[in-house]
Amino acid sequence: AQTVTQSQPEMSVQEAETVTLSCTYDTSESDYYLFWYKQPPSRQMILVIRQEAYKQQNATENRFSVNFQKAAKSFSLKISDSQLGDAAMYFCALLLYNQGGKLIFGQGTELSVKP
Amino acid sequence: DAGITQSPRHKVTETGTPVTLRCHQTENHRYMYWYRQDPGHGLRLIHYSYGVKDTDKGEVSDGYSVSRSKTEDFLLTLESATSSQTSVYFCAISESETSGVSSDTQYFGPGTRLTVL
Repeated sequence: AQTVTQSQPEMSVQEAETVTLSCTYDTSESDYYLFWYKQPPSRQMILVIRQEAYKQQNATENRFSVNFQKAAKSFSLKISDSQLGDAAMYFCALLLYNQGGKLIFGQGTELSVKP
Repeated sequence: DAGITQSPRHKVTETGTPVTLRCHQTENHRYMYWYRQDPGHGLRLIHYSYGVKDTDKGEVSDGYSVSRSKTEDFLLTLESATSSQTSVYFCAISESETSGVSSDTQYFGPGTRLTVL
């Protein structure tokens, strides 16, 4: 069975500092994508960043970057220069090519940003 | 932002009544999905569609049915709502595919909060 685990239910960071959110996953599939989604209090699910499993280079989107360790099945999200607007629930998700594009989500990490 | 709307946005209903939630997209994307979000579970897939009249079950499909008669609309029906179906429901869409299955980013609608009393 495929699983996604986020072991940090809550995290806190000071404004302008850097924080890393952890995610581990388990799958026997060789072809997959990994995502981080952000869910602010508005409840909207917003794509933060995406990583193709076949790519060795870590994805980067402005202040957001990932550390993708395929052998260890680890996919952490680093947020640099944290801003108040980064406060939200963050979900890690695994997309499997061969299962209709099914997304498997972790339980989420609630990030608070202190001014 | 992807053109995805969900209706209604909020609904309160009673146990045993039928409920239909609608997802509408203006992107002409092939793939559409229904998820439910509950505390401690993240989002879980209920059903998905890979084309008009083509649907399949997800991991939590019991008690739900879906229909897709047009590319732009994907309906989720609770035939007889139960309190365990109180949740927030999200629709998602995606387009690109590899070897006949979706392999692209999913974009989400704003969600529907359903309360079953």
